[in-house]
Amino acid sequence: QQQVKQSPQSLIVQKGGISIINCAYENTAFDYFPWYQQFPGKGPALLIAIRPDVSEKKEGRFTISFNKSAKQFSLHIMDSQPGDSATYFCAASVVHNTDKLIFGTGTRLQVFP
Amino acid sequence: DTAVSQTPKYLVTQMGNDKSIKCEQNLGHDTMYWYKQDSKKFLKIMFSYNNKELIINETVPNRFSPKSPDKAHLNLHINSLELGDSAVYFCASSQEPSYEQYFGPGTRLTVT
Repeated sequence: QQQVKQSPQSLIVQKGGISIINCAYENTAFDYFPWYQQFPGKGPALLIAIRPDVSEKKEGRFTISFNKSAKQFSLHIMDSQPGDSATYFCAASVVHNTDKLIFGTGTRLQVFP
Repeated sequence: DTAVSQTPKYLVTQMGNDKSIKCEQNLGHDTMYWYKQDSKKFLKIMFSYNNKELIINETVPNRFSPKSPDKAHLNLHINSLELGDSAVYFCASSQEPSYEQYFGPGTRLTVT
């Protein structure tokens, strides 16, 4: 019940295309859903996050779509660029709880020119 | 003015040795973490400290011992290193547990 399932494992997108990464969770107590971006040789960096009181959050070319009833959330990268090539992790947690942030298994995104 | 820093960045050592990794954050956060990332990129939490108190201790061999001298520092000491300890270790911090975590650059540990 503590798992966050992430798909696909890897994704190849043409420059200018839309990249979509999906995550699903079981624990209905989760109320914080961040996405992290990790470039090779670097630490994961918080990209965008959503709370369950909204169904969508957009920051520039990055959008989180959240479906509470389906217990799913996804990251959409519009107009994907080669510089977006990285590994993306979804995660979930219960805020204000001493329990941990549960990470998905990661998606390696490659954007080709 | 790096937010979360770790030293060293690379650590190559032989089996059986003892080594330490240091972490410091200047964000004023109350919670700090150690994660292990294996070759498949899985991120696994090891420990978490909140206000210098251990709050998460995952199933980690007792050869690993975290130490938090103050809220801004969380060090990881590893005894009797094994080949399977080879990985990238990340330190992270957040203002509250399980929320908005900021990661350090990582320490790549190679045990030969």
